[in-house]
Amino acid sequence: AQTVTQSQPEMSVQEAETVTLSCTYDTSESDYYLFWYKQPPSRQMILVIRQEAYKQQNATENRFSVNFQKAAKSFSLKISDSQLGDAAMYFCAYRPYNTDKLIFGTGTRLQVFP
Amino acid sequence: GAGVSQSPSNKVTEKGKDVELRCDPISGHTALYWYRQSLGQGLEFLIYFQGNSAPDKSGLPSDRFSAERTGGSVSTLTIQRTQQEDSAVYLCASSGAGRVFQPQHFGDGTRLSIL
Repeated sequence: AQTVTQSQPEMSVQEAETVTLSCTYDTSESDYYLFWYKQPPSRQMILVIRQEAYKQQNATENRFSVNFQKAAKSFSLKISDSQLGDAAMYFCAYRPYNTDKLIFGTGTRLQVFP
Repeated sequence: GAGVSQSPSNKVTEKGKDVELRCDPISGHTALYWYRQSLGQGLEFLIYFQGNSAPDKSGLPSDRFSAERTGGSVSTLTIQRTQQEDSAVYLCASSGAGRVFQPQHFGDGTRLSIL
């Protein structure tokens, strides 16, 4: 069965600094998607960034980038120039290519200090 | 509406009662998903509807849980004879159809508290 592991329950970063959130996953599939979702106190899950497993190039969305290591089954999220609005729960998620079901990790709570 | 709408926002009920949670997906979205988020946990997949196909119920934790999707739009998640371990936030998401990647759009969830 596929699993997603986030080993950091909480992280903190100072405003304008850079922070990296870790995620590892387990799968026997070769084609899949990986995602990072942000969940602010409003509870709504917001898609931050996605990565297709067949792409070697790491995805980037403005201040958010990933380090995708397929062989190591690692998918970390780097947030540059952290802002107070980045404070939230961050979830890593996996989706097999042939289904729409998302498998989530347990999340990392990110605090941003001024 | 522009986004996925869930009601009620919060629900408190006594153990043993039945509850119904509602989800209005984004207009035109063919896929609808229910997830459960227990305290301190990630989201756990419950059930998935895609168009007119039979739903994927593989995530439902027991036969007390069921869901319907009427007319390919609104969905209702029903929990019968609620137990305290059913307390959680229940999130609904929808996505469009197409050959290109379609992201899931989430609602704000229903926080269910069983006394």
